Amino acid sequence: AQSVTQLGSHVSVSEGALVLLRCNYSSSVPPYLFWYVQYPNQGLQLLLKYTSAATLVKGINGFEAEFKKSETSFHLTKPSAHMSDAAEYFCAVSDRANDYKLSFGAGTTVTVRA
Amino acid sequence: DAGVTQSPTHLIKTRGQHVTLRCSPISGHKSVSWYQQVLGQGPQFIFQYYEKEERGRGNFPDRFSARQFPNYSSELNVNALLLGDSALYLCASSLGPQGIDETQYFGPGTRLLVL
Repeated sequence: AQSVTQLGSHVSVSEGALVLLRCNYSSSVPPYLFWYVQYPNQGLQLLLKYTSAATLVKGINGFEAEFKKSETSFHLTKPSAHMSDAAEYFCAVSDRANDYKLSFGAGTTVTVRA
Repeated sequence: DAGVTQSPTHLIKTRGQHVTLRCSPISGHKSVSWYQQVLGQGPQFIFQYYEKEERGRGNFPDRFSARQFPNYSSELNVNALLLGDSALYLCASSLGPQGIDETQYFGPGTRLLVL
């Protein structure tokens, strides 16, 4: 069965500092991996997705993630945090064995300090 | 273009009641999926409908049901509500059924509180 573990339920960063959100997955077949962002009182917005092309994936708002098969990881980074990055971030996995249904991690809440 | 819309935005029910949540997909999208997001957790897949047929079901009891209409809008019904059904219910639409090239677009959700 596919699953996702997000390390750290809360991350606090200073404005301008590196944002690093950790995600590890398990999947019995090649996975497809996603990062979504959820702002307060809003639905989920896709930041980026990995679909077996380039292992370094660039998304919206300056975010990027790197797929590392050997580490079963898909960590999300942004070089310089902005106040508007404060939100909840979800990592998700899907695969052919599960009909491409999304399985989400528990989420990481990011706060940005001025 | 309008995104995915859901109604109502908030709802309060008591145990044992039933509830109907509604979702309108993005124009042109034929697939709708429903997710339950309990406070402090990630969304959990409930159902997917494509072209009015159920294409997938998550690990939820039979109290949960859904349908999709000819205009591709969808309803999620929950009977015999339990306290544990309190959650944010998210609807997502996509052009086709869940697949590697299909991006799901999420609505703002309906927040259900069961007392």
